[in-house]
Amino acid sequence: AQKVTQAQTEISVVEKEDVTLDCVYETRDTTYYLFWYKQPPSGELVFLIRRNSFDEQNEISGRYSWNFQKSTSSFNFTITASQVVDSAVYFCALSAPGQLSNAGGTSYGKLTFGQGTILTVHP
Amino acid sequence: DTEVTQTPKHLVMGMTNKKSLKCEQHMGHRAMYWYKQKAKKPPELMFVYSYEKLSINESVPSRFSPECPNSSLLNLHLHALQPEDSALYLCASSQPPRGGIQYFGAGTRLSVL
Repeated sequence: AQKVTQAQTEISVVEKEDVTLDCVYETRDTTYYLFWYKQPPSGELVFLIRRNSFDEQNEISGRYSWNFQKSTSSFNFTITASQVVDSAVYFCALSAPGQLSNAGGTSYGKLTFGQGTILTVHP
Repeated sequence: DTEVTQTPKHLVMGMTNKKSLKCEQHMGHRAMYWYKQKAKKPPELMFVYSYEKLSINESVPSRFSPECPNSSLLNLHLHALQPEDSALYLCASSQPPRGGIQYFGAGTRLSVL
């Protein structure tokens, strides 16, 4: 079974602080994909990043960076110099094969989400 | 363009009503999804269509009926809903099946009275 744990329910920071959101996952599959999504108050889930299980290279994109470590099954997300506009719910998610759909096939399509971390950035 | 369009944005319906939620994408994606999201919870998968065929049904009650008329459109027909069905309904699309990025619409906020 797949499982994603985001232990931080809520984080509150002041603008310009750095903040790291933790994500730990469980899967028996050797091939899988990890995602981070952002959900602002408007409701739309915004895709941020995807990593596959064979690519442990960490990535930096502007103020965002991701640290993927298979040895600890973690895929953490850091925002540098946070801004008020970063306030949102952040979800980590896992997609892996080995899940039989009830239509009889395997599917990478199912995303297993963590419970989400509510980030509030104060001015 | 990574846009998934959902209509309506808000919907209020009585328990005896019949209504439909609509979702459209023009990214050429061949997998489309319906999710239900309650407040302060992650999205829960309801249905997946792959190449216009129902691929996953997560044991959703029959009062929710999905339809995929073509590769760009996805509908969710609602009938005899209960107040506990009030939620944000999200549509997503992706390229199947290899860990494709799912792009989400803004959702329909449904209230059942």
